[in-house]
Amino acid sequence: DAKTTQPPSMDCAEGRAANLPCNHSTISGNEYVYWYRQIHSQGPQYIIHGLKNNETNEMASLIITEDRKSSTLILPHATLRDTAVYYCIVRGGYGGATNKLIFGTGTLLAVQP
Amino acid sequence: EPEVTQTPSHQVTQMGQEVILRCVPISNHLYFYWYRQILGQKVEFLVSFYNNEISEKSEIFDDQFSVERPDGSNFTLKIRSTKLEDSAMYFCASSEREGNTIYFGEGSWLTVV
Repeated sequence: DAKTTQPPSMDCAEGRAANLPCNHSTISGNEYVYWYRQIHSQGPQYIIHGLKNNETNEMASLIITEDRKSSTLILPHATLRDTAVYYCIVRGGYGGATNKLIFGTGTLLAVQP
Repeated sequence: EPEVTQTPSHQVTQMGQEVILRCVPISNHLYFYWYRQILGQKVEFLVSFYNNEISEKSEIFDDQFSVERPDGSNFTLKIRSTKLEDSAMYFCASSEREGNTIYFGEGSWLTVV
């Protein structure tokens, strides 16, 4: 099973930042934190991933705590199209114990107009 | 942007019939995957494939399932004798190499009647 804990749902006002938390207290040193989202039964969409350092791309920012036991995905200006289920997944890197992604139930983010 | 493409987008089949779901992974990717999602449930890993061999499979991936890379571009999932409980969205995915980001297609919705 997925080694992460996420709130089942969150609301966010359109135009505001959405901060999605994830706990992964049993993460190992060589495991990455990946974020995907799934919009209404479409294929999971890759958002961002990180190991230790904070990461930013055109979609989002990922803040990983120093002890790596939790992280936060930040969507800086949420729009209605960001309404989706967001999955936080811990995964081994190259040569890791498993290459696959194990999905949990994620967080349903509802962006409100 | 390169993407994973899947066909058909939706297939209805009678129980006991064979079904082949097709996928074209991203062109320079070497690792291929199938996942499925039963309506309202989690995205579940089925199988990973590399170098013309299954590298990992789940308990779901029993003898009625098989995968094949019949040519240089396609990757297929065959369900030999479909059951009602095989009704699900099937996602193909690929990654450039082990440990790299996995990208998903939009899915093939299979309905077994």
